[in-house]
Amino acid sequence: SYDLTQPPSVSVSPGQTASITCSGDKLGDKYTSWYQQKSGQSPVLVIYQDNKRPSGIPERFSGSNSGNTATLTISGTQAVDEADYYCQAWDRSTGVFGGGAKLTVL
Amino acid sequence: VHLVESGGALVQSGRSLRLSCAASGFTFEDYAMHWVRQVPGKGLEWVSGITWNSGTIGYADSVKGRFTTSRDNAKNSLYLQMNSLRPEDMAVYYCAKDRGATGWHYFDSWGQGTLVTVSS
Repeated sequence: SYDLTQPPSVSVSPGQTASITCSGDKLGDKYTSWYQQKSGQSPVLVIYQDNKRPSGIPERFSGSNSGNTATLTISGTQAVDEADYYCQAWDRSTGVFGGGAKLTVL
Repeated sequence: VHLVESGGALVQSGRSLRLSCAASGFTFEDYAMHWVRQVPGKGLEWVSGITWNSGTIGYADSVKGRFTTSRDNAKNSLYLQMNSLRPEDMAVYYCAKDRGATGWHYFDSWGQGTLVTVSS
């Protein structure tokens, strides 16, 4: 089965840049999407097709995907960005999520 | 877009349960739909997807042969029939909208989820 690996936790100071990685075999050949899930809430799409932002998502959220790694970058991180972040891709028509990364804004 | 799941309950291992998802705010028949689950405190797991006309239905290996996804476009509703439930099926089940009608893309809207508890 196909696996996506994320760091369990990422810490960042307010105003700094947070990078959350997602690794998988030849992930760069697939589209990756990213979901933000705040405590007690449903997930929200923040990046789709590697680097596109849905309407309503702040410009500080960006994404990239190349080789075996996709990266979600949050520039000028704010306290409201503290959440779990999940990457997701499709492998042979099966949905695969990363294990999730907990972003802490210290 | 508004997605409202229902049907979650406490059920014994081996029994069946049917979840529903009522959709509004968009043209339901124009989009594929999915079920995604999450064990409380754990990560997300894709369960199943269904194209706009039910022509293609996909399942995760963990539920294949036990769960059946269907939809009724006339009722703007998505369903998940869960048979032979196991303790490891205990999770919050989310209904999620795909951005397209055919194939799988990404989940652009999610419901609030419904909790399924399976006792052994």
